[in-house]
Amino acid sequence: DGGITQSPKYLFRKEGQNVTLSCEQNLNHDAMYWYRQDPGQGLRLIYYSQIVNDFQKGDIAEGYSVSREKKESFPLTVTSAQKNPTAFYLCASETRTGMDYGYTFGSGTRLTVV
Amino acid sequence: GIQVEQSPPDLILQEGANSTLRCNFSDSVNNLQWFHQNPWGQLINLFYIPSGTKQNGRLSATTVATERYSLLYISSSQTTDSGVYFCAASIQGAQKLVFGQGTRLTINP
Repeated sequence: DGGITQSPKYLFRKEGQNVTLSCEQNLNHDAMYWYRQDPGQGLRLIYYSQIVNDFQKGDIAEGYSVSREKKESFPLTVTSAQKNPTAFYLCASETRTGMDYGYTFGSGTRLTVV
Repeated sequence: GIQVEQSPPDLILQEGANSTLRCNFSDSVNNLQWFHQNPWGQLINLFYIPSGTKQNGRLSATTVATERYSLLYISSSQTTDSGVYFCAASIQGAQKLVFGQGTRLTINP
């Protein structure tokens, strides 16, 4: 079955440590997105990529970095510069094919600073 | 940028009841989507509906683009409908969706 796989499901980070969240899709979608969700809040866009080897900052990119070396993969690194990284992180891909349009989300990674 | 506001923030209903969730947006949109987030955090795309009306089983959605609002209807609610419903929109030329704060729906048995 096609879909988006995020790993790990839970991640604990120590102060000053960089961590990388994985996002892999086998849907053959070009566009991929990273969102952050804080408790009781909506989703805020961190980074997005429309095509391999290209990506743009979203609304809250500070303290995060991404790469897009393969169509299937869009990893997110939470750096030590991100002062409040505890949140739920969601990866999505987008399909636009004729009348078929929509986002597919992964199951998310819950990051906690310890 | 575009502003997306949802109401009500919370809704508690008994099983079998009908509900209407509202999404207002501040600009003309070329993309509007409704999502359901289950209690485990998984987001499911319900509708892509920048204008008009769509139905899928007990769920239907209507977007009146000229008046800048969209409605999500849930009929004969079931406990599995519980969760948070998000509306998200983008304007022409923008690549990113802006999400509302969500409506938390609780269906009691």
